[in-house]
Amino acid sequence: AAGVIQSPRHLIKEKRETATLKCYPIPRHDTVYWYQQGPGQDPQFLISFYEKMQSDKGSIPDRFSAQQFSDYHSELNMSSLELGDSALYFCASSLPRLAGVRETQYFGPGTRLLVL
Amino acid sequence: AQKITQTQPGMFVQEKEAVTLDCTYDTSDPSYGLFWYKQPSSGEMIFLIYQGSYDQQNATEGRYSLNFQKARKSANLVISASQLGDSAMYFCAMREDFMNRDDKIIFGKGTRLHILP
Repeated sequence: AAGVIQSPRHLIKEKRETATLKCYPIPRHDTVYWYQQGPGQDPQFLISFYEKMQSDKGSIPDRFSAQQFSDYHSELNMSSLELGDSALYFCASSLPRLAGVRETQYFGPGTRLLVL
Repeated sequence: AQKITQTQPGMFVQEKEAVTLDCTYDTSDPSYGLFWYKQPSSGEMIFLIYQGSYDQQNATEGRYSLNFQKARKSANLVISASQLGDSAMYFCAMREDFMNRDDKIIFGKGTRLHILP
């Protein structure tokens, strides 16, 4: 079965640089979520998109922005990178909502970002 | 206050034995969903099982079952006949569906499970 695709899988950046992470949801999934997992931590919700509109926002720094495109893929843009941004970034996707009921989120393999 | 509490930071279990991973949750929302995810050392987050707050029966998926005790706010994961490949970090997670009307899943701190040969 098709899974969530994330690229790149690994990324090394210098402080103050920018990074763009891409996420391709499972086919027919219209909702995309982004999570950040620091070393030894549990994942923390950043932001989500439903039908190309921002749906919910968590603890996402102002230096980060994201969007969902017409083909439902999403990109997380990170600027002025800091050492503390080093983490595993997950994208997850879910099926369309039925009568407002949210579906299970399926996670991608993650992008491991290292900021030097 | 912690929304999801996993009291076992680490567990060692003999292969082929059954395993129970503890999870308690805290919410005043009448509608919520509970999840378990597995994270191997390679890093991916694998969905295992889901339990809705209004589901009458405990969820099961192959060797995984969720022991849902609503009154105790407990959602323990049971893995039957453990295998070496079950060695991983396991996260209990919750989504509050009613009052907050948001999308985020809140994770516990995880339990690292080691299966011994």
